[in-house]
Amino acid sequence: DIQLTQSPSHVSASVGDTVTISCRASQDFVTSLAWYQQKPGRAPKLLIYAASTLHSGVPSRFSGSGSGTDFTLTITSLQPDDFATYSCQQSHRHPLTFGGGTKVDIK
Amino acid sequence: QALLQESGPRVVKPSETLSLDCTVSGASVSSAESFWTWIRQPPGKGLEWIGYGFDTDNASYNSSLKSRATISLDTSRNQFSLTLTSVTAADTAVYYCARGGMIDGFVFDPWGQGTLVTVSS
Repeated sequence: DIQLTQSPSHVSASVGDTVTISCRASQDFVTSLAWYQQKPGRAPKLLIYAASTLHSGVPSRFSGSGSGTDFTLTITSLQPDDFATYSCQQSHRHPLTFGGGTKVDIK
Repeated sequence: QALLQESGPRVVKPSETLSLDCTVSGASVSSAESFWTWIRQPPGKGLEWIGYGFDTDNASYNSSLKSRATISLDTSRNQFSLTLTSVTAADTAVYYCARGGMIDGFVFDPWGQGTLVTVSS
């Protein structure tokens, strides 16, 4: 199975900050990586797929980069609505797997 | 835009069978391009892919569940379901249904809001 390790597991930030989240894979899978945003009691939302493609309707302050085994989600100019948990997912090989999640909360 | 909503018992006894339904609106579970998916998240842990149904009567599962999971599509009710047999406390989780296949292969959008299922006597 492809293991995905996210870091950090938790980050405290302020509105206006830039936050960077890493997702490292145990195997190379080119760019088959997606990022999701989760909030308690709400449906998770797809933010980015194919490592760097912004999903329709997602604000441009979200961006993704990377390939192979190292991927990054960047949120520039953090907004109040962005305080949430972010998870990466590989879609390259079954079983499909997710990272452990990164919680972004208010400093 | 499709909407998905999970439903089913919130508490299941150990060794019994967990059964959940996902009602789909705004899309058809008969869609040949879609993978109708179940994902779960135990308290304090990451997301785990359970499996998906597709093409009316086909499915793919995470082998970590050791053949305890079954996903089926009900085209007459536009729903899909999950059954998980012989549950233990380790199966306590928020269970999500989601749609795959429409964006970029095995990427999921949209998701339901999730339902917490607790395994307890």
